[in-house]
Amino acid sequence: DAKTTQPNSMESNEEEPVHLPCNHSTISGTDYIHWYRQLPSQGPEYVIHGLTSNVNNRMASLAIAEDRKSSTLILHRATLRDAAVYYCILITGYALNFGKGTSLLVTP
Amino acid sequence: DARVTQTPRHKVTEMGQEVTMRCQPILGHNTVFWYRQTMMQGLELLAYFRNRAPLDDSGMPKDRFSAEMPDATLATLKIQPSEPRDSAVYFCASGLDRAGGYTFGSGTRLTVV
Repeated sequence: DAKTTQPNSMESNEEEPVHLPCNHSTISGTDYIHWYRQLPSQGPEYVIHGLTSNVNNRMASLAIAEDRKSSTLILHRATLRDAAVYYCILITGYALNFGKGTSLLVTP
Repeated sequence: DARVTQTPRHKVTEMGQEVTMRCQPILGHNTVFWYRQTMMQGLELLAYFRNRAPLDDSGMPKDRFSAEMPDATLATLKIQPSEPRDSAVYFCASGLDRAGGYTFGSGTRLTVV
């Protein structure tokens, strides 16, 4: 599977929007872009995924660059409960291969 | 919401003992994964099944680990004999395919002393 690059950590204020970037310059045409998060002491949790178009769901939005070499996960209004490690993963086959992700700190 | 159920939640065992972890995937999900998480290595894919057939177990130490799906409602991960370095949280996940999201269980925290 193609590799992704994410910042190690980011910080946000509560109730502010958060933009979590992910670079994937070697993405292939059939790779899906998935985002998961892992809250402390819990299993990973699906957030959102997309292929080419921007996507919205109740948790977040996913903005995909036109050339698909980068994407951004947008949390519209961060809460303290959004503090977690966020993983951006490209899937070619079936399996998720997790990297180190971005540790998001949300401060009151 | 439908859940992936893992048992036991916690397991402490002595080195050399056999350990079996169980996973009940979400009904209708045909792809099942086993992952292991440690502080040092992060989340590692051990094995996965599609329609109960093993597709990839290259992440698993073959000499001591085995994964099976005896039926569509049960996946098992067995370690025999267990070693202290196997101490980790083991997660099961299920889904349909990459065009949808995967659901993870709460994990089994294994401690081998």
